[in-house]
Amino acid sequence: AQSVAQPEDQVNVAEGNPLTVKCTYSVSGNPYLFWYVQYPNRGLQFLLKYITGDNLVKGSYGFEAEFNKSQTSFHLKKPSALVSDSALYFCALRELSSGANNLFFGTGTRLTVIP
Amino acid sequence: DAGVTQSPTHLIKTRGQQVTLRCSPKSGHDTVSWYQQALGQGPQFIFQYYEEEERQRGNFPDRFSGHQFPNYSSELNVNALLLGDSALYLCASSILAGGGETQYFGPGTRLLVL
Repeated sequence: AQSVAQPEDQVNVAEGNPLTVKCTYSVSGNPYLFWYVQYPNRGLQFLLKYITGDNLVKGSYGFEAEFNKSQTSFHLKKPSALVSDSALYFCALRELSSGANNLFFGTGTRLTVIP
Repeated sequence: DAGVTQSPTHLIKTRGQQVTLRCSPKSGHDTVSWYQQALGQGPQFIFQYYEEEERQRGNFPDRFSGHQFPNYSSELNVNALLLGDSALYLCASSILAGGGETQYFGPGTRLLVL
């Protein structure tokens, strides 16, 4: 069975400080991993994904994430947080070997950037 | 280039009624997936359509059904609505590939069942 865990429901960070939103996963095969952001009353916006290759993935709006196979983690990071980054962040997983095409989502982490 | 669009944006129904939600994919996309996002939860996969057929289905009852049209747009139908069906319904489109493709989401339809 595959699963995604976002251990922190809420993350608060001061504007200008680095931010990290954590994600761990569990799969029997190789994972494809995604980060999405959701603003209030909006759908999900794609930020970045890990498919293969370089473990450090760069995405939209200055976000990046590092795939760590040994720790089964895919934490989202940004060097300097903006107030406009405040939103709900979802980590998602697709298991390559299962043949399934759907995404499994974590429960989300609400990021608040304090001015 | 228009992104994924969904209609209506909001909907209020009563228990036992039926509802139809609509989705138009991004230009050039051939695959549509539907997700249910309950309040405070992550989206849960309902089903996926490709070439007008249901390609994959999540753990949802038969009350949830769908359709894909030749122009790749899609409908989600829910019969015999329950209070627990109240949620944000998200449509995502993609180009079917080897698994690494990105799904792009629409703004969602918020359904309230009274």
